[in-house]
Amino acid sequence: GAVVSQHPSRVICKSGTSVKIECRSLDFQATTMFWYRQFPKQSLMLMATSNEGSKATYEQGVEKDKFLINHASLTLSTLTVTSAHPEDSSFYICSARFRGDTIYFGEGSWLTVV
Amino acid sequence: KQEVTQIPAALSVPEGENLVLNCSFTDSAIYNLQWFRQDPGKGLTSLLLIQSSQREQTSGRLNASLDKSSGRSTLYIAASQPGDSATYLCAPGSGNTGKLIFGQGTTLQVKP
Repeated sequence: GAVVSQHPSRVICKSGTSVKIECRSLDFQATTMFWYRQFPKQSLMLMATSNEGSKATYEQGVEKDKFLINHASLTLSTLTVTSAHPEDSSFYICSARFRGDTIYFGEGSWLTVV
Repeated sequence: KQEVTQIPAALSVPEGENLVLNCSFTDSAIYNLQWFRQDPGKGLTSLLLIQSSQREQTSGRLNASLDKSSGRSTLYIAASQPGDSATYLCAPGSGNTGKLIFGQGTTLQVKP
């Protein structure tokens, strides 16, 4: 079964609104989680590293004020897309590090902004 | 900045063939390298993890090799099956951080 759960799996929102995506590690604590986005037929692009209890580390070119990341507990990281626009429509996927080098990915969340 | 290239971008083969998927990366100072499988519209499934000190890893019909100094990794799939149809992603790990940089993937179709 899944060890990293993402919710919602699909979401449609209106332009200008904000939407939150949750990433939960099941049965293990994840001090570090990662957020990626994937455009159709393209590869995964790392957006940011989410660290429990501290600010996220964003990759170059990713707007931290637009993509708010909160890692408030050892099992939950959230990504909030603020003031969403149609170009933010994408597949967002998180991963969590478990015991050294093992990385588990969530099932991903499809965001459509209309 | 690490750049990852996967060749071929797409591959269509009849069932039973042995396959070779190639991955190259520009920064050889990697911590490890992983191969993942992604089904359409789904998340990622880890297939093989090779530490930087290792040369290869095997799991069932899959074998991944790593030549860190030349910046190359290869995924071999033996006796391919229609169920192997998916996109295969190569991702070298940057330091002991868990951060992965992905290639564009190879989309494989195995025809019955």
